[in-house]
Amino acid sequence: GEEVAQTPKHLVRGEGQKAKLYCAPIKGHSYVFWYQQVLKNEFKFLISFQNENVFDETGMPKERFSAKCLPNSPCSLEIQATKLEDSAVYFCASSHRVLNTEAFFGQGTRLTVV
Amino acid sequence: LAKTTQPISMDSYEGQEVNITCSHNNIATNDYITWYQQFPSQGPRFIIQGYKTKVTNEVASLFIPADRKSSTLSLPRVSLSDTAVYYCLVGDKLTGGGNKLTFGTGTQLKVEL
Repeated sequence: GEEVAQTPKHLVRGEGQKAKLYCAPIKGHSYVFWYQQVLKNEFKFLISFQNENVFDETGMPKERFSAKCLPNSPCSLEIQATKLEDSAVYFCASSHRVLNTEAFFGQGTRLTVV
Repeated sequence: LAKTTQPISMDSYEGQEVNITCSHNNIATNDYITWYQQFPSQGPRFIIQGYKTKVTNEVASLFIPADRKSSTLSLPRVSLSDTAVYYCLVGDKLTGGGNKLTFGTGTQLKVEL
């Protein structure tokens, strides 16, 4: 598709429950990124993929967060045993392969942990 | 990664030109300067990117002085729909599309009638 599609748009989970977010990147884009926006303007990089391979996972809280990008499937970000502090908007972005730092963002998934 | 500093907020009126300046004193030789725009409840959207001097597209202009320690995003004749948060980012373009973006706190631009 011509836009990054994220589902669901909103997700509410009780503390300790699992949350799974999905992202379909733009067709032909090799890189996929996940970002977390907690406070109004603050973005935190979580992880990026080059196709189905992890490219950079320096931002991932590995204890409870995991992510995958499998062939012919939407990418996913999963949070096990959610905590109140995981409440945020999670953005997925994709970009083309070479010499291009323009990233195309999805609309985000707002996760609320109660 | 070079840190960026920009004003937290700016106010303007429709039809005016808005200039948002970003400081990036420790920008590296390979770093490019990129601006993104974010509307409420949406993901950031690429506006413009440059390395030095001036870049112009259909949306904005980007002015970068010779020392590259700052840059100015210029929005000509703003309208209400330009009300958004504007982020200045600095990073290396040359290693390909997999580079993560480092967002600062952004500038909340509010345009009024």
